[in-house]
Amino acid sequence: KNEVEQSPQNLTAQEGEFITINCSYSVGISALHWLQQHPGGGIVSLFMLSSGKKKHGRLIATINIQEKHSSLHITASHPRDSAVYICAATRNNDMRFGAGTRLTVKP
Amino acid sequence: DGGITQSPKYLFRKEGQNVTLSCEQNLNHDAMYWYRQDPGQGLRLIYYSQIVNDFQKGDIAEGYSVSREKKESFPLTVTSAQKNPTAFYLCASSTPRGVNQPQHFGDGTRLSIL
Repeated sequence: KNEVEQSPQNLTAQEGEFITINCSYSVGISALHWLQQHPGGGIVSLFMLSSGKKKHGRLIATINIQEKHSSLHITASHPRDSAVYICAATRNNDMRFGAGTRLTVKP
Repeated sequence: DGGITQSPKYLFRKEGQNVTLSCEQNLNHDAMYWYRQDPGQGLRLIYYSQIVNDFQKGDIAEGYSVSREKKESFPLTVTSAQKNPTAFYLCASSTPRGVNQPQHFGDGTRLSIL
């Protein structure tokens, strides 16, 4: 079993819909990262959080340490949000990655 | 602009051949990393370096080698011993490898077998 599990693997939405991507991890962590991988392959860091909630524009990330669970929400989704979203957990200087959620937003 | 540059974007390897992937950063980061990405799997760590002239094996180092002669550069060689090298390779860097440091990624190199 992977240490970091994401769901769903694939997600298709209509423009304007509210999106939720989930991430569960099996061990205690120091920080949880959300990354966005563009169709060309490059990766950018969206959030790093160890508790609570963070917001940047239309993106919101939350984490529940007790339940070992994090969510990434996208409000008012847009076709340009189409990408692979990756959850990664940091523990003891190691970063473990989920397999990613492929999001497609249709106009 | 500061960032990480990987080259080439696409690379083809013949049987028995070693190939080297380039990674350069101008972010003044001490730590650098190489990851491999396969379809349907999370990124896996190949090698990492926390300081010049030092590097450590990651989870899947067999068949790969690295060097860190300069702070800015961390090239990865895929040797002929790596029997399944077809994958997407990502280089990353961060400030000293600590538990809460975000990593900055390059745009990747896609390696295929001829």
